[in-house]
Amino acid sequence: DVHMTQSPSSVSASVGDRVTITCRASQGIDSWLAWYQQKPGRAPKLLIYDASRLQSGVPSRFSGSGSGTDFTLTISSLQPEDFATYSCQQAKTFPFSFGPGTKVDFK
Amino acid sequence: QIQLQQSGPGLVKPSQTLSLTCAISGGSVSSNTVAWNWIRQSPSRGLEWLGRTYYRSKWYKDYAESVKSRITINPDTSNNQFSLLVSSVTPEDTAVYYCAKTADWLKGGLDVWGQGTTVTVSS
Repeated sequence: DVHMTQSPSSVSASVGDRVTITCRASQGIDSWLAWYQQKPGRAPKLLIYDASRLQSGVPSRFSGSGSGTDFTLTISSLQPEDFATYSCQQAKTFPFSFGPGTKVDFK
Repeated sequence: QIQLQQSGPGLVKPSQTLSLTCAISGGSVSSNTVAWNWIRQSPSRGLEWLGRTYYRSKWYKDYAESVKSRITINPDTSNNQFSLLVSSVTPEDTAVYYCAKTADWLKGGLDVWGQGTTVTVSS
């Protein structure tokens, strides 16, 4: 199975900050990676697919990069509605697997 | 625009079978460009992909090995929905269960999710 890790596990930030979250796969997954945002009591929301493609309707302050085993999600200027937990997911190999999540909260 | 509506009990007794349904609106379960997935989330296991079903001239099903012996995902073309059955449940199956859709061009990204069903396994 492909094991996904994320760092940091949490980050404290302020509105307007640039936030970067890293995701690492235990083996190469090409660009079969997605990023999600999740708020308490809600289902995850797809932000990025194919490692760097922005899902329709998602603000352009979100961006993704990487290929192989190392990936990054960047929020260029944090907005109040962005405080949430962010998770990565690989879809290259069964079983599809998720990272443990990174919580972005108020500094 | 596709929407998914989940239904099913929130409480299941140990050793019994958990049964959830995901009704599809705005699309067809038999579409040959999408796949229908079940995922669960618990504090101890995080987000866990359970399996999927999809139609490409015939029906296909893929399951996570960790639950493969106990789960079944079935499409229901008559009612345009798909279901999840998990047999012989234990308290470790307590989680929020989600159905979700992906499409071929999303490379596995799950773009539409059901509202989630909190399932507790307890006597």
